[in-house]
Amino acid sequence: SQTIHQWPATLVQPVGSPLSLECTVEGTSNPNLYWYRQAAGRGLQLLFYSVGIGQISSEVPQNLSASRPQDRQFILSSKKLLLSDSGFYLCAWSVLLGAPYEQYFGPGTRLTVT
Amino acid sequence: AQKITQTQPGMFVQEKEAVTLDCTYDTSDQSYGLFWYKQPSSGEMIFLIYQGSYDEQNATEGRYSLNFQKARKSANLVISASQLGDSAMYFCAMREGVDRDDKIIFGKGTRLHILP
Repeated sequence: SQTIHQWPATLVQPVGSPLSLECTVEGTSNPNLYWYRQAAGRGLQLLFYSVGIGQISSEVPQNLSASRPQDRQFILSSKKLLLSDSGFYLCAWSVLLGAPYEQYFGPGTRLTVT
Repeated sequence: AQKITQTQPGMFVQEKEAVTLDCTYDTSDQSYGLFWYKQPSSGEMIFLIYQGSYDEQNATEGRYSLNFQKARKSANLVISASQLGDSAMYFCAMREGVDRDDKIIFGKGTRLHILP
């Protein structure tokens, strides 16, 4: 069965510090991978998605970046965090092997920038 | 323009009553899919139900059913016999087309409170 991992689960970082959040998927090959951010009490904002190794599409301009060094690994990074980067970060995967093509989400990382 | 609109930011419902969570969508594609996800206070996103644009019958999964009205571009979630554990945030979402890099767009969500 497929599993998606995210770490760390919670993170408190000062403004201006770097960030690295990691997401890995097990039990599937060549998935689409996604990073979302959810501000407190709000909906999901798609940040990045990837259809393959080294292929990253950015949805919103920001100080965040994403990389996919391996098929089942997706990393979200920042060189200098802003207060507005606080939120709940969710990684998700999907495969287009037949409907319904739903996305499966990881447990999330709660980031607080102080 | 918003692709997914959920007009109910919050709802309070008595336990055991049926609940309808509204969702309207906007697309010019003929092929698309509609999803509902549940997010409890723990933060995890749980996939509930899916409706394809070409599906003639409304999708059902246990106590969940999707009231799909294509002409109205409406995809309401119906929860029968609500339970206290149904208290959560609910998101409607849509995937347009079936190309590999198509994305799922989420609505802003409805927070459902089930009252004992």
